[in-house]
Amino acid sequence: GNSVTQMEGPVTLSEEAFLTINCTYTATGYPSLFWYVQYPGEGLQLLLKATKADDKGSNKGFEATYRKETTSFHLEKGSVQVSDSAVYFCALYTNAGKSTFGDGTTLTVKP
Amino acid sequence: EAQVTQNPRYLITVTGKKLTVTCSQNMNHEYMSWYRQDPGLGLRQIYYSMNVEVTDKGDVPEGYKVSRKEKRNFPLILESPSPNQTSLYFCASSLGSGRSSYNEQFFGPGTRLTVL
Repeated sequence: GNSVTQMEGPVTLSEEAFLTINCTYTATGYPSLFWYVQYPGEGLQLLLKATKADDKGSNKGFEATYRKETTSFHLEKGSVQVSDSAVYFCALYTNAGKSTFGDGTTLTVKP
Repeated sequence: EAQVTQNPRYLITVTGKKLTVTCSQNMNHEYMSWYRQDPGLGLRQIYYSMNVEVTDKGDVPEGYKVSRKEKRNFPLILESPSPNQTSLYFCASSLGSGRSSYNEQFFGPGTRLTVL
């Protein structure tokens, strides 16, 4: 079956630090890849996505590139803010309708 | 406002008492899905629906039922809830399926269920 493996958390950074959250996947077929963010007490919301190899998704200073050769979709941000504190989920979706999420990585950014 | 709504938001019940969690979307989305979120386990897909009258099992379907009689609604039914179904449940929808720009999922606010 499909699987998504995320870097274990929690991650604690100082404001303006560089962020990387690793994500690797296994999937049958050719999945679309996503990063979702969940703020405390809320549902998930899309952060960025990529639907084919070498696509780069970006939003709010976050970026991730779909690397088919390494089956990875690592999330990066050059300078994090306190407001980026949240739980981040890597996910894949296949044509068959199945969605697979990683376990989530909790990010805390300190002023 | 485009949204996915879930009801109830919080529910405490007892073992064996049938319950339904409703999910509705107003975006004319074809695809809908249910997930449960448990600490350390991320989100796991329970059931999904590619369109009206089309449903399929996700990774953890045991103990749950769903139906999709109308495009906008996708209720989750627990016929005989047990304590191991205590969890945070999310409904989600997306415009379509397939590897395209249209499969971003929009999530509801969640339903926190406790089964005693």
